Amino acid sequence: GAVVSQHPSRVICKSGTSVKIECRSLDFQATTMFWYRQFPKQSLMLMATSNEGSKATYEQGVEKDKFLINHASLTLSTLTVTSAHPEDSSFYICSAKKLAGANTQYFGPGTRLTVL
Amino acid sequence: AQSVTQLGSHVSVSEGALVLLRCNYSSSVPPYLFWYVQYPNQGLQLLLKYTSAATLVKGINGFEAEFKKSETSFHLTKPSAHMSDAAEYFCAVSDKGGGADGLTFGKGTHLIIQP
Repeated sequence: GAVVSQHPSRVICKSGTSVKIECRSLDFQATTMFWYRQFPKQSLMLMATSNEGSKATYEQGVEKDKFLINHASLTLSTLTVTSAHPEDSSFYICSAKKLAGANTQYFGPGTRLTVL
Repeated sequence: AQSVTQLGSHVSVSEGALVLLRCNYSSSVPPYLFWYVQYPNQGLQLLLKYTSAATLVKGINGFEAEFKKSETSFHLTKPSAHMSDAAEYFCAVSDKGGGADGLTFGKGTHLIIQP
């Protein structure tokens, strides 16, 4: 199998606080993980590509200082939304590739972030 | 640059009828193409993928898709719709199959199954 988990599944926070979302590949090692954002009734938009042991690559228009990504091991990547604001409320979904060269991404169940 | 166009934000079919969800892509290199399904408040589940092997790809839950280079299309079909097929479907493209590359998604098609 290829199972990806995310924690938490749902989080509500106050404006100005920081929130960390974890993405784990449970039964495989992932050299590359991706973070997507999905607004209600819209498609997924790639935010950044996370490679184990190196800095993440951010898509144009995504603030790297606001969305901090750490990929410290082959099974864990974290996304920290710093100083969250209501406009950051969204569904954040991660995906992982099994190994270099594979072209299938396995998606996590997503994290619903609501900023009050 | 690559892009994906899904025609029809909503498609409604009767239970037992043919399902056809349309996807057209643009890519400067031979693409890798994917169909994902998303149920409410859940992540994405891979239905099938095209990776330059057979042009007719069979996936899970009875779905299949055909890659047509001349039409730059990768439409998703299922001969007989089931109520459990009601969900959001996304077509996605990647033009770097060998390396780390995020997917470019279409806007999605909401499939409604009428009893």
